[in-house]
Amino acid sequence: QTVVTQEPSFSVSPGGTVTLTCGLRAGSVSTTYYASWYQQTPGQAPRTLMYNTNTRSSGVPDRFSGSILGNKAALTITGAQADDESDYYCVLYMGSGIWVFGGGTKLTVL
Amino acid sequence: EVQLLESGGALVQPGGSLRLSCAASGFTFSSYTMHWVRQAPGKGLEWLSALSGTSGGTFYADSVKGRFTISRDNSKNTLYLQMNTLRAEDTAVYYCAKRGGSQEFDYWGQGTLVTVSS
Repeated sequence: QTVVTQEPSFSVSPGGTVTLTCGLRAGSVSTTYYASWYQQTPGQAPRTLMYNTNTRSSGVPDRFSGSILGNKAALTITGAQADDESDYYCVLYMGSGIWVFGGGTKLTVL
Repeated sequence: EVQLLESGGALVQPGGSLRLSCAASGFTFSSYTMHWVRQAPGKGLEWLSALSGTSGGTFYADSVKGRFTISRDNSKNTLYLQMNTLRAEDTAVYYCAKRGGSQEFDYWGQGTLVTVSS
C-alpha cells in the first residue's frame, strides 16, 4: 500500500516563509509523480494551488511555489498571510490510473 | 465557467446502497477524465475512483474496489458513483473533480454528504 507523507502540522509567523513537503514512505518523489497541491478551509471544497510539481493554478499568487526538494515534493509559501491558514494536501499520480493523497498539513499562521 | 454539482447524498443503513451524481457544465464533459474523492469527518482527502473520458477506462482505490462503480452519461454531462455494501467508514463528504491537463484535479464540486448509520 502506497503511503504519501505530509507533516501533520506546521506553524509560520505572518510574513514568514514555510515549506511543506510531500514524500513517499517508500521511495523518492520526482516530477514523474506530477505532484499537485490543494488548499482547504473548514467546510469548503479544496482549491487547486499547484500542479505538475511547480505550475501555479490560475489566480494563485506567486508567493506560492512548488519544487522538488531532495526526495520530496515541496510547497513553499513566502510572505505568509493570515488567510493562508488552512489545510494543505498533496496528491501524487502513481501511474496506471491511481492517485494517492497525503494526510494533509494543518498550517497555522501566528 | 466550469461547474460541478454533486447530489444524492443521504443517510443510509450499513449494508445499503446509494448512487451519487455529479452534474457538469462549462466544458466538454466527454473529453475529460473525472474523479470521485471523499473526506471523512475531520479527516483528510481520499481519492476513490477515476473514469477516463477518452478510453472509458475505470480505476479504483483498493478501499472501494469491488463495492463502488464509477460511470458516466455523456449525453447528460453527468458522472455517477454507485456505492454498494456501505459501511460506517464510508461516511464522508463525496466530491467529484475534473482532471486537468497534468494529472491534477483542476475543478471541484461542493460535495455531498453520505452518512452510513443504523
